[in-house]
Amino acid sequence: QKEVEQNSGPLSVPEGAIASLNCTYSDRGSQSFFWYRQYSGKSPELIMSIYSNGDKEDGRFTAQLNKASQYVSLLIRDSQPSDSATYLCAVLYDYKLSFGAGTTVTVRA
Amino acid sequence: DAGVIQSPRHEVTEMGQEVTLRCKPISGHDYLFWYRQTMMRGLELLIYFNNNVPIDDSGMPEDRFSAKMPNASFSTLKIQPSEPRDSAVYFCASSLVWDRRTDTQYFGPGTRLTVL
Repeated sequence: QKEVEQNSGPLSVPEGAIASLNCTYSDRGSQSFFWYRQYSGKSPELIMSIYSNGDKEDGRFTAQLNKASQYVSLLIRDSQPSDSATYLCAVLYDYKLSFGAGTTVTVRA
Repeated sequence: DAGVIQSPRHEVTEMGQEVTLRCKPISGHDYLFWYRQTMMRGLELLIYFNNNVPIDDSGMPEDRFSAKMPNASFSTLKIQPSEPRDSAVYFCASSLVWDRRTDTQYFGPGTRLTVL
């Protein structure tokens, strides 16, 4: 089984701060990595994908990938109350996504 | 586009009953995925289809679970007989393409199943 581990939450950050989410994966053959956001009672939605080592920025979100360390992270800059949600790390292997348990983020106004 | 459509949104049934969950993917999407989400096990892939053909059903938990895709616009996930441990949110997702540098999977709103 392809394991995906995320830092345990919940994570509480003040509005305007940076939220840092971490994820490690077990399978070195994994090639594509994703961050999904899931609001309570809703379905997951893709917010970031990353395939190469390094950083990828999209607005207030930055994904970082280090394949040697089997590590993926997501930074949320200038956190807003609307960012309060559960963030799921997903790793693609053999055409199938394996999801982490998720980290719940609460942004305090 | 209406997005992925799932029905029913909520289902409450008694142990031993047959349950059928339905999904209509986004028009033109060739890939369809069924997931299950629970607090204990998180979000798990059950089965996925490409052009109506089941490609990988290794995540289907038991023979009590079956899935079909009779045409490009409709899929069902059936549980017979249902058990309390099947209680979960079942998501259907679809994707235009699905290769190693992948397209996005679009999730439906989910069906919350409660088996008493």
